Amino acid sequence: GQNIDQPTEMTATEGAIVQINCTYQTSGFNGLFWYQQHAGEAPTFLSYNVLDGLEEKGRFSSFLSRSKGYSYLLSKELQMKDSASYLCAVRVLEYGNKLVFGAGTILRVKS
Amino acid sequence: GAGVSQSPSNKVTEKGKDVELRCDPISGHTALYWYRQSLGQGLEFLIYFQGNSAPDKSGLPSDRFSAERTGGSVSTLTIQRTQQEDSAVYLCASSSRQGEWGNTIYFGEGSWLTVV
Repeated sequence: GQNIDQPTEMTATEGAIVQINCTYQTSGFNGLFWYQQHAGEAPTFLSYNVLDGLEEKGRFSSFLSRSKGYSYLLSKELQMKDSASYLCAVRVLEYGNKLVFGAGTILRVKS
Repeated sequence: GAGVSQSPSNKVTEKGKDVELRCDPISGHTALYWYRQSLGQGLEFLIYFQGNSAPDKSGLPSDRFSAERTGGSVSTLTIQRTQQEDSAVYLCASSSRQGEWGNTIYFGEGSWLTVV
């Protein structure tokens, strides 16, 4: 089966850095995505990793270790608008390219 | 189109009625996905299309749920004899090609279904 774990909630201070971890156990790994979802809105794409290492995209960076089944999303210079749910998702090759989501991490940014 | 388009954006229906939800993917995207998200919950995979065929229907919760895709473009998700537990937002997503690296999956705004 597919299993993706991430913390339920985190709190961080405006201007700080936060790291949201994700561990996964899936079959046929074909990439890991991070999405941001504000309450009542659809998920929006943040980053994508398929090879080990760090991908940097503005204030957001994402790291992947395939051997450890581990990823993290790093958010720098946090802003109040970053308060949202952050979804870790793994694309698996089972029956094609199904994207399996974790339950999401609710990040609360306080001033 | 510029993005994934879904309709209706909001639907309130009576228990026992049938509903149809429509998804128009990004032009040229061959892969199409349906997910469901109940209030405060994570995304639940329903079905995946590659072209007009559905290699993975494993997520459909019951035989009241069905989906089709025609012309490799528009998809319709149909829920028959709706129940209150069907209330959720139904999200459609599309991506450009199966099995290639870096094919970002883009979501529509969702169809918010309330069964009363």
